[in-house]
Amino acid sequence: DGGITQSPKYLFRKEGQNVTLSCEQNLNHDAMYWYRQDPGQGLRLIYYSQIVNDFQKGDIAEGYSVSREKKESFPLTVTSAQKNPTAFYLCASSTLTGTEAFFGQGTRLTVV
Amino acid sequence: DQQVKQNSPSLSVQEGRISILNCDYTNSMFDYFLWYKKYPAEGPTFLISISSIKDKNEDGRFTVFLNKSAKHLSLHIVPSQPGDSAVYFCAASPRNTGKLIFGQGTTLQVKP
Repeated sequence: DGGITQSPKYLFRKEGQNVTLSCEQNLNHDAMYWYRQDPGQGLRLIYYSQIVNDFQKGDIAEGYSVSREKKESFPLTVTSAQKNPTAFYLCASSTLTGTEAFFGQGTRLTVV
Repeated sequence: DQQVKQNSPSLSVQEGRISILNCDYTNSMFDYFLWYKKYPAEGPTFLISISSIKDKNEDGRFTVFLNKSAKHLSLHIVPSQPGDSAVYFCAASPRNTGKLIFGQGTTLQVKP
């Protein structure tokens, strides 16, 4: 059945290492998004993409990178330049109107 | 610069009563508004939305009201049930951008 899948659910990494979070959708959605959730700060947009091979920075893109080589996939790399990487990361997808985005179950990244 | 604000971090209501969650926005280019419900360690799920050309949208126990002149929207849940206890996020989509911008969230607790 259709949906959006994030993996893994929990991820631990040492400080200074890059880490890539996976996001796959089979909803045939053109738009995909990455958000970060911190306590008391809601969901903040990291990157979004509306078409394959194109993406735009969100409000907090520094220290992150993305790629969109396939319509179904939008992986997020948390680089060593990200100062506070420990957070709950959410991937979403939607049609091009940007309404009613569907979210994955999230990845809890902990950097030690 | 928080473009979408939920000024009440938490709300507690009695089962059967009305829950009213509020959201304010600053950008007049927003043309679509959504409410999401989120449980801990899960992705948000879509609840209800409203276009800027309307002032009310109803879906079962959930009603969203939009006051464009005040740049304010609210979610009414009637009657409230214990299963409604969750974090509620409002979100707004700027015209022709495909982005979704979220508020900080309001934690609703419905007491039996």
